[in-house]
Amino acid sequence: SQTIHQWPATLVQPVGSPLSLECTVEGTSNPNLYWYRQAAGRGLQLLFYSVGIGQISSEVPQNLSASRPQDRQFILSSKKLLLSDSGFYLCAGLHRAGNTIYFGEGSWLTVV
Amino acid sequence: GENVEQHPSTLSVQEGDSAVIKCTYSDSASNYFPWYKQELGKRPQLIIDIRSNVGEKKDQRIAVTLNKTAKHFSLHITETQPEDSAVYFCAASRGMDSSYKLIFGSGTRLLVRP
Repeated sequence: SQTIHQWPATLVQPVGSPLSLECTVEGTSNPNLYWYRQAAGRGLQLLFYSVGIGQISSEVPQNLSASRPQDRQFILSSKKLLLSDSGFYLCAGLHRAGNTIYFGEGSWLTVV
Repeated sequence: GENVEQHPSTLSVQEGDSAVIKCTYSDSASNYFPWYKQELGKRPQLIIDIRSNVGEKKDQRIAVTLNKTAKHFSLHITETQPEDSAVYFCAASRGMDSSYKLIFGSGTRLLVRP
C-alpha cells in the first residue's frame, strides 16, 4: 500500500531564513503528489501539485516553491520565510487504484 | 475552478445524538466526494467517500448522501460518541485525469458532549 513520509515533523525558523520540507512516497510509482497548507484552526489550502518529475503546478501565488527531482520525491521550499508562512504543511499522494488522496504525517512550521 | 463550501463551522451535539454536516460544490463535472476526519495535531484521515454514480453510501454509523442536481452532499453520523469529536472536511474532485485535484471545504469542528 502507498505510504507517504515527510520531514521534518516540526521546525521553528526565523523570518527571512530558507525552508526545505521533503516528502517521499513508497508503494507506488508515478503518483500525483500535492502540498497542502493548514493555518491554525483553518482549512486545507492546496499549494502545489505535480503529475510527474519536473512538472509543478502552482495553485496560489506565494512565497513558496516546489520541486520534484525524482518520481517519489516532492520538496517544498522557500528562499525567505515570512511570518504568514507558519502553519501545518501536509504532503499528499494520489492512490490511483482508489482515486483517493492520502496524507503524510505533516510538518509544523513556526516562523518567528 | 472548483469551490467547496461547508457548514456549519462548529457543531456541538450530545452523545448519542446524530450530527449532520453539509457541503456544496460549484463544478458540475466533479464526480468524487470524500470526507476526512482530522484529530488535533494529526493528519486528515479518509473516513468515507462517494462517487457520482450513487446517491448514498453507508459504513456503520456514518453515511454520505449526494444530490448531483443541487450539487450538495452531506455527512451523517448517528449515535455519536466522544471519540467522534474532531474536525471533519469534505472535498470534491473530478476524474482521474492528469489534473486531478482535491479541493477541500473549510472544515467543521464537531464536539460530542458526554
